[in-house]
Amino acid sequence: AQSVTQLDSQVPVFEEAPVELRCNYSSSVSVYLFWYVQYPNQGLQLLLKYLSGSTLVKGINGFEAEFNKSQTSFHLRKPSVHISDTAEYFCAVMSSSASKIIFGSGTRLSIRP
Amino acid sequence: ETGVTQTPRHLVMGMTNKKSLKCEQHLGHNAMYWYKQSAKKPLELMFVYNFKEQTENNSVPSRFSPECPNSSHLFLHLHTLQPEDSALYLCASSQDLAGGGDEQYFGPGTRLTVT
Repeated sequence: AQSVTQLDSQVPVFEEAPVELRCNYSSSVSVYLFWYVQYPNQGLQLLLKYLSGSTLVKGINGFEAEFNKSQTSFHLRKPSVHISDTAEYFCAVMSSSASKIIFGSGTRLSIRP
Repeated sequence: ETGVTQTPRHLVMGMTNKKSLKCEQHLGHNAMYWYKQSAKKPLELMFVYNFKEQTENNSVPSRFSPECPNSSHLFLHLHTLQPEDSALYLCASSQDLAGGGDEQYFGPGTRLTVT
């Protein structure tokens, strides 16, 4: 079975500062990894996903994530955040042999001007 | 309409009422999902449908009754709910259940309040 841990429930940062949202997973088989974003009063939207190949994945809105198999991590980063990045971010894992997605508990990113 | 739509966006109902949530996807996908999102809890998968057939029911109470008449539409019928059922109900779809890393596309959700 797979599981996902988002280590920080809330991350406050200043506008234009860099940010890293941490995600660790556990699985006995190979996995696909996702980051979703949820803006207030909206559903989840895919930011990026890792299926195979290059371990550095670029997504929308300037976000990127790096798959680290040895550390079973898939941390999300952005070099300079904007007020509009205020949202909740969900890391998710899917086994390569099944289609069920397991979501983490989310990290609320708040941007201070 | 594009993507995944949900109606209504907000719903207030008493514990003795019967209501239904509707989800429609315009993406040509074969799999559809209902999730419950409560404050301070992880996203809870409730039901999964693939080609109109239910493939997963995660021990959801019978007061929630899903219906999938075709691959584009998914309903959640609600009756005799409890206040703890108040949450955001999200519908999602994906190409299919065959794996391969297909992401799920989410609707905006229905905010349900049970009084």
